Amino acid sequence: GAGVSQTPSNKVTEKGKYVELRCDPISGHTALYWYRQSLGQGPEFLIYFQGTGAADDSGLPNDRFFAVRPEGSVSTLKIQRTERGDSAVYLCASSSQGGRGLAGGSLETQYFGPGTRLLVL
Amino acid sequence: GNSVTQMEGPVTLSEEAFLTINCTYTATGYPSLFWYVQYPGEGLQLLLKATKADDKGSNKGFEATYRKETTSFHLEKGSVQVSDSAVYFCALSGGGGSEKLVFGKGTKLTVNP
Repeated sequence: GAGVSQTPSNKVTEKGKYVELRCDPISGHTALYWYRQSLGQGPEFLIYFQGTGAADDSGLPNDRFFAVRPEGSVSTLKIQRTERGDSAVYLCASSSQGGRGLAGGSLETQYFGPGTRLLVL
Repeated sequence: GNSVTQMEGPVTLSEEAFLTINCTYTATGYPSLFWYVQYPGEGLQLLLKATKADDKGSNKGFEATYRKETTSFHLEKGSVQVSDSAVYFCALSGGGGSEKLVFGKGTKLTVNP
């Protein structure tokens, strides 16, 4: 079946511009996550949706970053007034539910898309 | 907050060598632990996971055991292949009730024939 897809695969923009990055999760997955991966680093959490609502947006670095998931499926990450430091690979992941095990650990595997490589000049 | 520390790379081995990549964590509560792998030109893939203490995750000859007493989840493989060349990430989730994954910085493995 289809995995998580992200568009565009690459985006080059100029400092100060607005960009939108799109994520199509696996069909039926209710949980959706955005991460950002800088060169030589592990992915860093940005925001987590359960259905249409943002359950945890503690990773968004500042108010230039915003994400929506209006119908509980596709999500868009929006970055206003881009800065050179925003250059990174933006990863999207989905899971069938944001459930927790008996001991509190997350049970559901997160499946990652190929990412969008953003370059801000 | 929750954090993951993994062995710095890069790691270079010859084919059929034994592999260990160390991973330790700091977390509130009882997290689930994961190893993800990123092959050249591909996206992140789950390699294995363990959801409670003393569980052993295994896949493709790789193993890791959830050690609560040492807060560790070291990745091992008895005999690596050239095709195992990739970047390996240790991660945790769920500690303290959070769903997000917290990743280590990654360890690049190169296996030479």
